Amino acid sequence: DIVMTQSPDSLALSLGERATINCKSSRSILYNSDNKSYLTWYQQKPGQPPKVIIYWASTRESGVPDRFSGGGSGTDFTLTISSLQAEDVAVYYCQQHYETPLTFGGGTKVEIK
Amino acid sequence: EVQLVESGGRLVQPGRSLRLSCRASGFTFGDYTMTWVRQAPGRGPESVGFIRTQALGGTAEYAASVKGRFSISRDDSRSIAYLQMNGLKIEDAAVYYCSFSRARPYWGQGTLVTVSS
Repeated sequence: DIVMTQSPDSLALSLGERATINCKSSRSILYNSDNKSYLTWYQQKPGQPPKVIIYWASTRESGVPDRFSGGGSGTDFTLTISSLQAEDVAVYYCQQHYETPLTFGGGTKVEIK
Repeated sequence: EVQLVESGGRLVQPGRSLRLSCRASGFTFGDYTMTWVRQAPGRGPESVGFIRTQALGGTAEYAASVKGRFSISRDDSRSIAYLQMNGLKIEDAAVYYCSFSRARPYWGQGTLVTVSS
């Protein structure tokens, strides 16, 4: 199985600061046929299911604010929140869907300092 | 519009069985591998298992934690995936989601399974 390693476990920043979350896969999740990395970022707030915010490593889901961006390819990925807002407090997960079984990072809890 | 609706979750005693259903709409169900994911309170999501399409043999694979106790099946004519859970343990308590991927993953809203005596 592909192991997803996410860091840091938690992040406390002031409003307006930049948040960066890292995710590393144990093997490449880049499909050569379409040159896409099958990496999804989720945002999860208490009592809600995970919500897709970024897929294919860098494609923002419709309706997601443009302060969220994803980068990386192959095995190393980042999620960036350019200017942290109060409503961004949540746990963020990365997931690979390059192959089954789907596997997830351990999550990063983002809080306001 | 893609929709996945899970049902069947409830309070059950340890050792008992439960069957969850996932009703799909908005896409050609039979063309996609379906995965069951669970999330225990305060924990991250975990894949429980998945079932391949009939074209790929219709076989299922399971996480080590549930192998031998859980089984996944599908009814492509009704666009439903099932998760049969036998010998439930306290640690199986979680919200259970079904999911598939088409460019991006899609999830349902989940169904809550509580295991307690």
